[in-house]
Amino acid sequence: GQNIDQPTEMTATEGAIVQINCTYQTSGFNGLFWYQQHAGEAPTFLSYNVLDGLEEKGRFSSFLSRSKGYSYLLLKELQMKDSASYLCAGRWTGGSYIPTFGRGTSLIVHP
Amino acid sequence: GAVVSQHPSWVICKSGTSVKIECRSLDFQATTMFWYRQFPKQSLMLMATSNEGSKATYEQGVEKDKFLINHASLTLSTLTVTSAHPEDSSFYICSASGDRGGSGANVLTFGAGSRLTVL
Repeated sequence: GQNIDQPTEMTATEGAIVQINCTYQTSGFNGLFWYQQHAGEAPTFLSYNVLDGLEEKGRFSSFLSRSKGYSYLLLKELQMKDSASYLCAGRWTGGSYIPTFGRGTSLIVHP
Repeated sequence: GAVVSQHPSWVICKSGTSVKIECRSLDFQATTMFWYRQFPKQSLMLMATSNEGSKATYEQGVEKDKFLINHASLTLSTLTVTSAHPEDSSFYICSASGDRGGSGANVLTFGAGSRLTVL
């Protein structure tokens, strides 16, 4: 694989901010996706980063550092409905540009 | 936006029978679709790439004779689990690639998934 790694589980409080990290192999790297997946449902697209920097989309932001092989998903003003698995997926040249998914980070938001 | 429809959502079958899962792109043409498998609390594992009008490309370790894929049109791919056994019980998800806003990202749009239980 392309050594995608992310924490297995995180917990946070409603209204707080949480950062979910993802590291990956830099060689041949071509872009990184974040998806949200609620239990028993299909993943839904959140963001795509190919250039360094932070991209903000409402309460969710995604950051990428190509040189460090590092990305994070930042969730602000957490709501109970944000409890889900967050999947980091990368694309590399030589892999037909098909994303490879990490194991996902299960986020539990409690009151 | 791009929509992918997948049916059935749930299926229970007896061991030894075959099950067909359909994946349709509703508002765009998908020359390529992807089939994933997901066990509880694990990541999505790519099983195969379905190519319209040609044979599917299977990932290492996936039995092509057991997981038959047919992509007969630009909007339909099917996965047939043949002679299903309890260990085939899993969540199967299809996806298709469609660009979003001209970004060139080829973002995957996923179907709702099919939960297969083999008794």
